[in-house]
Amino acid sequence: DAKTTQPTSMDCAEGRAANLPCNHSTISGNEYVYWYRQIHSQGPQYIIHGLKNNETNEMASLIITEDRKSSTLILPHATLRDTAVYYCIVRAANSGYALNFGKGTSLLVTP
Amino acid sequence: EADIYQTPRYLVIGTGKKITLECSQTMGHDKMYWYQQDPGMELHLIHYSYGVNSTEKGDLSSESTVSRIRTEHFPLTLESARPSHTSQYLCASSAQGTPNYGYTFGSGTRLTVV
Repeated sequence: DAKTTQPTSMDCAEGRAANLPCNHSTISGNEYVYWYRQIHSQGPQYIIHGLKNNETNEMASLIITEDRKSSTLILPHATLRDTAVYYCIVRAANSGYALNFGKGTSLLVTP
Repeated sequence: EADIYQTPRYLVIGTGKKITLECSQTMGHDKMYWYQQDPGMELHLIHYSYGVNSTEKGDLSSESTVSRIRTEHFPLTLESARPSHTSQYLCASSAQGTPNYGYTFGSGTRLTVV
């Protein structure tokens, strides 16, 4: 699986958009970008995934650059409950390997 | 609405005791995983299973063992607990063939060995 690089931590004001970047310059053509988050040591929660097109669901939007070397997770209106560690993971859909979560980005949403 | 259940949620136990952490899922997922996580630290894969009678060790060496006799059940056992085993243990499952291969995690078991 390709390696990802994320900032260690970020702050965001409540009600504003939180934009979490992820670099994955060695991504292969069959590898997807997955995002998970972990709220205060609960089990990680799946957020969204994509291959090359931008994706949106009820939780977030995922913007993938045209060359697929980086992506941004967008939480359009961050709330205090979005404070969590966010993990960007690159992996082939049919990979036989388990997810490697890495260090992630610790997002703090402030009042 | 969790479809994957871990028990107990918290466990404090003395050194040398044998313990089994339970993990069950009702989604029919073929793949199941155990991760270990110390407070504020990364998740580390310690065991995984791709189906009944399949178990493999993960990236982080662990003295625990697992079994997969039924699809829905993936218990983790420590034969003789030690203080170094104090950690949070998270169980997850996923299904091959689903569009997103998304993982579903349980709430975890916080183990303290005294």
